[in-house]
Amino acid sequence: EDQVTQSPEALRLQEGESSSLNCSYTVSGLRGLFWYRQDPGKGPEFLFTLYSAGEEKEKERLKATLTKKESFLHITAPKPEDSATYLCASLNSNSGYALNFGKGTSLLVTP
Amino acid sequence: DTGVSQNPRHKITKRGQNVTFRCDPISEHNRLYWYRQTLGQGPEFLTYFQNEAQLEKSRLLSDRFSAERPKGSFSTLEIQRTEQGDSAMYLCASREDSRRAQYFGPGTRLLVL
Repeated sequence: EDQVTQSPEALRLQEGESSSLNCSYTVSGLRGLFWYRQDPGKGPEFLFTLYSAGEEKEKERLKATLTKKESFLHITAPKPEDSATYLCASLNSNSGYALNFGKGTSLLVTP
Repeated sequence: DTGVSQNPRHKITKRGQNVTFRCDPISEHNRLYWYRQTLGQGPEFLTYFQNEAQLEKSRLLSDRFSAERPKGSFSTLEIQRTEQGDSAMYLCASREDSRRAQYFGPGTRLLVL
């Protein structure tokens, strides 16, 4: 069964303390790996799509990378406004049209 | 603003009542999705439309749930005879044909008492 697993479940960082969030996937026929940010009470906000191993995408303090089994979301010198839940999702050849989400990593950045 | 919009944003209902939610996708996005999200979980897929055609439904979508997208524009999701287990955030997303990224609306939070 296709699965997306995110770790850690929660992460607390001090402002400026860089770290990485992990997304492990076991899928057959990956058609895309997606990262979203979700603030409390709001819908997910699209960040990145990665399609093949070795691909990297960057946006401000965030950088997403993809291997054959994992994706990482690197956060460089985070600020308190980066606090949110970060969701990873796969689009597989078996899932038709639906995104298959992990449970997310809740990130808290303290001043 | 041309983002996905959803109404209402919040709905409180009593068990057994029917509720209907509306989603207006980004204009010119032919593909529309409904997801459900409970606390501490990622969104779970419910159903998918391409234009007005409903092409996929999840096993989560029981007979009490029905979705429509008349004329391929806005979509509605109706839940009949609501149960307490239906309490969740209902999310709508849309995308254009040429890209795989889905863009989500703010969601409708449903509480069934």
